[in-house]
This record gives sequence, structure tokens and C-alpha cells, in this order.
Amino acid sequence: EPEVTQTPSHQVTQMGQEVILRCVPISNHLYFYWYRQILGQKVEFLVSFYNNEISEKSEIFDDQFSVERPDGSNFTLKIRSTKLEDSAMYFCARDGPRGTDTQYFGPGTRLTVL
Amino acid sequence: AQTVTQSQPEMSVQEAETVTLSCTYDTSESDYYLFWYKQPPSRQMILVIRQEAYKQQNATENRFSVNFQKAAKSFSLKISDSQLGDAAMYFCAYRSEETSGSRLTFGEGTQLTVNP
Repeated sequence: EPEVTQTPSHQVTQMGQEVILRCVPISNHLYFYWYRQILGQKVEFLVSFYNNEISEKSEIFDDQFSVERPDGSNFTLKIRSTKLEDSAMYFCARDGPRGTDTQYFGPGTRLTVL
Repeated sequence: AQTVTQSQPEMSVQEAETVTLSCTYDTSESDYYLFWYKQPPSRQMILVIRQEAYKQQNATENRFSVNFQKAAKSFSLKISDSQLGDAAMYFCAYRSEETSGSRLTFGEGTQLTVNP
């Protein structure tokens, strides 16, 4: 049983276009996270989201990125003007009940920027 | 800032044999978690095992166990009776317990091949 679901599973876009990646938690949790993994590299933290606000963001999470919870359940990661180097797997993750425990990952969205 | 290092980019093991993957980390904190995640070709991130730093006893999950050396800041993963399905990329990860909602910090990964 997935902890979170993500859509789409694969997104292909042209450089300069905007993309929105979606994460749907199976149950209600307080903390959510976005991570990025460029092919062949390690998983990198982008941003954490708590109680409808950004809790922490990394140096990667610059002005081209934004996160929202538009309808109280789905979480979205928006990349405003995609670059070739944004091609990567993007993972959404949610916390265990205490917010300091294991993080459970969704299946990821593979983003390809042409 | 915390760092995690996996010094073995690739490892291989014969089916049914035992293999150990290495991980070291650097932190000034005393309360934290350590994890091993498995990433098969599907690229799904799957939790293998976790260790709370305050626990002296090493965590075990079936064929997977860890050797946690807090003073040495070392956290290795041992896979016993290796199976073909164990072939994957394995990531070591660190997480602070001192702050709610803290990020995971990952190592570079070790690609494990299991030979029949």
C-alpha cells in the first residue's frame, strides 16, 4: 500500500514551460516533503511543508519553485520555467505520526525537460 | 550541517552469501535517526531498516541488520543470504530527532549487484 501517490508518473516538457507535480497523501499527516534525484545521483531535499506553510527549504529551492496545498489534501510542486537541469525524479514523502520518525516516499514523478 | 558518506559506489555478492555496505556520517547532534533505503530499477524509495541513535542495540529486519557504532559515526548494513531481488541501489540517510519536520540527508548510494 503506497504511503502517498504521485501524478503524473512521467512528465515530458519543453524548456521554459511550467510544470505542476502532484502528491496525494493516503491519510492525513502534518509534514510533507519534496525531494529531487537527478539520474545517477543522490536524493536531495527540496522543501518541507507543515500545516500549510513552508517549514524549511534547501538552497536548491529557488524562486522558480513553489509548493501549495490548493484543496486541503493534494500537495503540488510547481516549477515555473523549466531548465534542462531540472530533469530528475521528484519524490513526495510524508512523515510518521511524530514528525521525527521515518519518512515514507511516493513512487516519484520522472520529469524530462527537452 | 550533517553529511553522509558511502564510500562504496558499487558492490557485488553471490546469491546466498552475505554482504556489508558501509556508511559514515558527521553530526554534532546526539539525537537522530539513521536509515537504509533501497531503490530498485523502478526508482521507488523503499525503507529497509532504521536505527534510533539512543538505542545501543543494533536494528534487525529479517535478513537485514545494521552495525551501528555511534562513537565512530558508522552505520553499516549487512544483508545475509542475499537474493536476486536484493539487487538495487542502497542509500544511507540521516535525520535529526531534535527538530520536528527535519529533512533526510542522503549518502551517494551503493549499487548492489547479486550474482546467481
